[in-house]
Amino acid sequence: DIQMTQSPSSVSASVGDRVTITCRASQGISSWLAWYQQKPGKAPKLLIYAASSLQSGVPSRFSGSGSGTDFTLTISSLQPEDFATYYCQQANSFPQLTFGGGTKVEIK
Amino acid sequence: QVQLQESGPGLVKPSETLSLTCTVSGGSISSYYWSWIRQPPGKGLEWIGYIYYSGSTNYNPSLKSRVTISVDTSKNQFSLKLSSVTAADTAVYYCARLDAGVVAATGGWYFDLWGRGTLVTVSS
Repeated sequence: DIQMTQSPSSVSASVGDRVTITCRASQGISSWLAWYQQKPGKAPKLLIYAASSLQSGVPSRFSGSGSGTDFTLTISSLQPEDFATYYCQQANSFPQLTFGGGTKVEIK
Repeated sequence: QVQLQESGPGLVKPSETLSLTCTVSGGSISSYYWSWIRQPPGKGLEWIGYIYYSGSTNYNPSLKSRVTISVDTSKNQFSLKLSSVTAADTAVYYCARLDAGVVAATGGWYFDLWGRGTLVTVSS
């Protein structure tokens, strides 16, 4: 099974900062990667699919890049509503779809 | 707009079977894949399995021996049964949608719509 490793596990940042989160797959997954945002007590929300495609309705300050084993989620200018936990997910390799361990974006 | 809502007991005894239902409102259950995902308190996400509206399924191998997912298209619902539960099965259980069109176009399985989740505690 493919393991997904996110780094850092948490990051402290201020409003307006540029934030970058990394996700590494244990083997190549082409561009089959998604990013989700989860706020406390809420369900995850799809932000990015196919590594770099922005889900409808998601602000353009979110962007994704990468292919193969290394992927990045970037928030270009952090807004108050962006403080949350972010998860990556490998989206093609069965027998199981797997998520990264999460990255918590906290207020500095 | 389409909404998903989980329902079922919030407390299950060890060794018994956890049963949850997800109701799809505002749209049809047809032409989509439907999935269950869980999240233990304070931990990450674990995919449990999915079902196509036609009834074909795929399960996480680590849970396969205990999981059954079924669909009732007449009620626009799909369900999860997890047998022989232990405290390790305590989690928030989410139902979620996978767009078959996106799967066909991109090859990727992305959860584009989620229910609010329901906490299931396994305890005597």
